[in-house]
Order: sequence, then C-alpha cells, then structure tokens
Amino acid sequence: NAGVMQNPRHLVRRRGQEARLRCSPMKGHSHVYWYRQLPEEGLKFMVYLQKENIIDESGMPKERFSAEFPKEGPSILRIQQVVRGDSAAYFCASSPTAGVVGQPQHFGDGTRLSIL
Amino acid sequence: DQQVKQNSPSLSVQEGRISILNCDYTNSMFDYFLWYKKYPAEGPTFLISISSIKDKNEDGRFTVFLNKSAKHLSLHIVPSQPGDSAVYFCAASLSGGGADGLTFGKGTHLIIQP
Repeated sequence: NAGVMQNPRHLVRRRGQEARLRCSPMKGHSHVYWYRQLPEEGLKFMVYLQKENIIDESGMPKERFSAEFPKEGPSILRIQQVVRGDSAAYFCASSPTAGVVGQPQHFGDGTRLSIL
Repeated sequence: DQQVKQNSPSLSVQEGRISILNCDYTNSMFDYFLWYKKYPAEGPTFLISISSIKDKNEDGRFTVFLNKSAKHLSLHIVPSQPGDSAVYFCAASLSGGGADGLTFGKGTHLIIQP
C-alpha cells in the first residue's frame, strides 16, 4: 500500500496522559499536513510541515500540541496531558510539491483518539 | 467563522439521476477548490478540483462548476450510482496548488437510493 499510513488507527488514553500519532506520507511526498475532525464537523487544519521544518502551525492549539517531521521517520503529532475535548479523528495528508496545481493532498485513514 | 459552507447536511437522490452538491465560500482570496469523498472510518479521497481561473472542470461522471462572483461552487455527479453514497466535503485553498492548509466545509451526506 503506497498510500498515506497512519498509526495507530485507534488510540485510547486517560485524561492527563500523552498521545502520539504517527504519519508516514506517500512515497515521494515531502509535505505533511495534520487535520482534526470533531463529530459532525468538517476537517480543521492544524499544521503543515516539510522535512525538519514547520511551515504553518496557525491551526494548532497553543498549548499541549506539537508536531514534528524529522529527517528520518514518520511525522508525529503529540498531545500532552490529554483532555476529553481532544477526542476526535486526526487525519494526516501528504503532497509531493508545494504550489503545483493538480497535485492535491492525499489523506490517510486517520487515528481515532478517545479520551476516558 | 465558517469560511466554507455546505448548507445541506444530507441529500437523497435516486440511482441514475443527477446529484448536485453545493458549496459557498466567503473568502475571496481562495483560488483553488477541491472536492473530497469520504466513507465511514476512512480518510477523505480526492475527487476533483478547480482553479479560480476556470469556471468548469470535468472528469468522467464528475463536473465541478465555479461561480466566482457568487462565491459558489457545485459538484455534479451524473449518473449517480450506489457507490456514490458517502459524505462529500468541499475544500478551499489560498495557494494555487492547494499546498497550504485546506479549509473544509462540514460535508454533505449523499444517499443514492435504488
């Protein structure tokens, strides 16, 4: 499967714990995006990264959330000290090149985070 | 502040007929628009896109129309098939290739009836 891979698919955490969500982009893609979807809502942009760089984090909550896309390995979205309101589906998308029409973002199947 | 609006939460269409899904936006700086289809427990799948310099783009059974003056776009599916039953999201981009974070509508649940 050459698509965007996210793991785990489901993650359960207790309040106060840390959640780590992983995303491996499609082969040849160097741009990664994270989105969050609350129930009955559309996807909300969180952060856009290239290798070792955060390009746009305007959608990230100011506290407890961080993201990275290291030179080697998957992109990681980290949520510290989780609260019930963090329960959502988190989607990762990737694209090959910035600003080229006809190369849309391709999405993974998401991680469903549940906070007990 | 909802910059991309899909005002119909659901739409029911008979198999073989045309499905028309609508989307309105408020930010005139958007210059690239995309439609995604989503099945339950899966990620969104790209369907079709349109640049703001065009007013129509067609791909097989799918056609997207853009009316910039009205800040409105629509997705036409003809003929509709049972496998088209899914949630459809309209998304908009501020960059020409959709390289920025996309702004999504809340989606329209399309139900194709046999």
